[in-house]
Amino acid sequence: EDKVVQSPLSLVVHEGDTVTLNCSYEVTNFRSLLWYKQEKKAPTFLFMLTSSGIEKKSGRLSSILDKKELFSILNITATQTGDSAVYLCAVHYPNSGYALNFGKGTSLLVTP
Amino acid sequence: DSGVTQTPKHLITATGQRVTLRCSPRSGDLSVYWYQQSLDQGLQFLIQYYNGEERAKGNILERFSAQQFPDLHSELNLSSLELGDSALYFCASSEEGYGYTFGSGTRLTVV
Repeated sequence: EDKVVQSPLSLVVHEGDTVTLNCSYEVTNFRSLLWYKQEKKAPTFLFMLTSSGIEKKSGRLSSILDKKELFSILNITATQTGDSAVYLCAVHYPNSGYALNFGKGTSLLVTP
Repeated sequence: DSGVTQTPKHLITATGQRVTLRCSPRSGDLSVYWYQQSLDQGLQFLIQYYNGEERAKGNILERFSAQQFPDLHSELNLSSLELGDSALYFCASSEEGYGYTFGSGTRLTVV
């Protein structure tokens, strides 16, 4: 059965810390892995990863995919209180258009 | 504003009732996806429409149905509602491709 597992489920850090969020997956016909940030309402897109070993970066956020070991990590450096959110990892369902199979998410709280 | 519009934002209804959730995709997007987010199940894919046709089906109950109209807006119909149907329902749209944009969701409370 296809599945996406994120860890940890929740995390509390202080401003300025660096955090690493993990996502492992099992899916047939892998196409890509996506990261989303969800604050109060709608998930917002962060990264899409299709190739192994190539890091995607956006400011203090970065992500990398390991297709051999079937996992991805999302790093956030110099965390700020505005980074507090639920971070969702997802992979495409096989043979289902572009529907996404989401993990349960990691809830990150950054304290001042 | 993501460009994906969902109405209503909040809905409170009684068990056994039927409701309709509406989604207007971003201009130019042909695909609409519906997701349900509950505390215990996380974000679950329900159904996808592409240019008026059903493209993919996920964990959608038989009591639920959807359609996409010629103007590309979509409606999700939920009937014989149960307490467990209380959740956030998201619509997302894409032109066609991997990444897509979510609407702000409809929070459904069944009492």
